[in-house]
Parts: sequence; C-alpha cells; structure tokens
Amino acid sequence: DVKVTQSSRYLVKRTGEKVFLECVQDMDHENMFWYRQDPGLGLRLIYFSYDVKMKEKGDIPEGYSVSREKKERFSLILESASTNQTSMYLCASTLAGAGQETQYFGPGTRLLVL
Amino acid sequence: GQQVMQIPQYQHVQEGEDFTTYCNSSTTLSNIQWYKQRPGGHPVFLIQLVKSGEVKKQKRLTFQFGEAKKNSSLHITATQTTDVGTYFCAVTNQAGTALIFGKGTTLSVSS
Repeated sequence: DVKVTQSSRYLVKRTGEKVFLECVQDMDHENMFWYRQDPGLGLRLIYFSYDVKMKEKGDIPEGYSVSREKKERFSLILESASTNQTSMYLCASTLAGAGQETQYFGPGTRLLVL
Repeated sequence: GQQVMQIPQYQHVQEGEDFTTYCNSSTTLSNIQWYKQRPGGHPVFLIQLVKSGEVKKQKRLTFQFGEAKKNSSLHITATQTTDVGTYFCAVTNQAGTALIFGKGTTLSVSS
C-alpha cells in the first residue's frame, strides 16, 4: 500500500514564524502536491512538483514556497506565518501523469497560527 | 481558470434514504475522479470515470459520467451511518498536470 506521511498532525505557531511542513511518500511517486483545505472552499492546490528540484505553482502559491531535494520528500515552507494561513494542509502523491492517476493523501497537518 | 461546480454543499438524510451529489463543468472533461473524506480523515480515492455515459457501481454507490462528459454524479442507495463524510469530485486541469477539486458535498446521516 502507498503510504504518505506528514511530519505533524497538529502544529501551533506564532505570526511571523517560519514554518516547515514535511511530506514523505514511500512508493517512488514522481508527482507530489500540497493543498490547503478550508471549510466551504474545498481543496486548493498550493504547489506541486513532478520531479526532484522541480516545482510548479498551483492556484494559491502566495505566502508559500516548496522544496523537493529528494524524490520521496516534499516540503512546504511558510516564510513568515500569518493568521490567514491557519488551515488544514494536505500532501498527496501520484505516479507520473497526474491528471489520470489516483492521488494518495497524507493524514494532514492542522496548523494554527496565533 | 477551470472550475468544477459541486452541489449540494451539505445534505442531511435519515438512514436508509438515498443521496446524490453532482459535479458540473462548463468544459468537456477527459476524466473525473471521486474521493471520500471521513470526518477527521483525509481524502481517499473511490473511482475514476473516463468514458462518455459510463456507469460504475461499488456496492451501494453508483457513479455516472454524462454523455457530453461535462457532468457526473455519485448516488448512494439506502445510506448508512458509515457513509458520513465529504465527497469530492476532481477533474484534470487543462495542462494535464494536476487535479482540480470540487468544493465537496458533506453528507450527514441520522439513525
């Protein structure tokens, strides 16, 4: 079974802090994605990566950056956390051909920025 | 940008009643996927539809893809409390690089 893990289930940070969210998948998937999920807004794509050191902006990249130094690991970085970044963050991965392939999600990180 | 509209946003039913959620797109879709997210959980893939007019069944769940490939539905017959959760449809973006998710339909079931 595909396993996608995220570094924390719950995280509390202060405004202005730098925040790292890490995601690791164990199935040698090429594509990895970061979403945020907010009530009434569904899942919104922040960034995705289709290869090591490659990244593409999603629909809401502002205030975020990402890093993919190894194939299995995709990090989401909040350079200076703000209260409007309080959300549930979900990581997902797929084989190549992201449009047709099943997305496997991690358990999510619920981030609270005070 | 490309969007997919999903309705209703919320639905409450009595156990044993049927439930349907709909996804609509203004553009022709190459495929559509459906996911379920249990309360406190993460989205889990249910099914993918590719062909025009396709109908697939998984026990009490019936998935349909419209003839014009612009809409899809998920129908649950005789809901159970285990069906509680949010159901998302997802479509491929125009670049073919990522999925665009509908906003989801949250189903609650009372026994």
